[in-house]
Amino acid sequence: EIVLTQSPDTLSLSPGERATLSCRASQNLDHKYLAWHQQKSGQAPRLLIYGASNRATGIPDRFSGSGSGSDFTLTISRLDPEDSAVYYCQQYNGLPLSFGGGTKVEIK
Amino acid sequence: EVQLVESGGGLVQPGGSLRLSCAASGFSFSSHWMHWVRQAPGKGLVWVSRISSDGTTTNYADSVSGRFTISRDNAKNTLYLQMNGLRAEDTAIYYCVRLEQGWGQGTLVTVSS
Repeated sequence: EIVLTQSPDTLSLSPGERATLSCRASQNLDHKYLAWHQQKSGQAPRLLIYGASNRATGIPDRFSGSGSGSDFTLTISRLDPEDSAVYYCQQYNGLPLSFGGGTKVEIK
Repeated sequence: EVQLVESGGGLVQPGGSLRLSCAASGFSFSSHWMHWVRQAPGKGLVWVSRISSDGTTTNYADSVSGRFTISRDNAKNTLYLQMNGLRAEDTAIYYCVRLEQGWGQGTLVTVSS
């Protein structure tokens, strides 16, 4: 089973600042089958990034994904108050599919 | 526009059964693998099951294997999750998911006496 470890647990930043979220896999993801999801309070998750670096439909270009192997990063270039949420990484390289524990992004 | 709409959740007693449905639209449903993911109250996301585009291949998390059955009706563009032998720890919001596309809004399943 592939375990995903996200860091930090919480990120508290001001509007306009850059957020960098990390996701580390317990083994290499051969085909970059890594996604990022955003979940705002009381809402369903929303797909942001798939294939490690591909933005989903309608996602602003201030969200970007990078990485390969076992280390992946989600970057929010200029934080907006509406970005306050929990962000989860997910691997779909192998069964069982798995999610990281999440990073909570707070906007000061 | 891709839409996934779950239904069928509710309150059920331990040991009971429930069938969830997910109505899909806006894409070629019969061409895509589909998944169920759940989220217990205040907790993270957990993968439950997946099914191949033609319904012939299914996989389950260990925690639900032998109790849950995933299926689909491509003629009706609908995904199902039959849940038997429900336990308190199955209490969660259940989401229908198409990888690399999106999520449904979820349906709440509560297992309690």
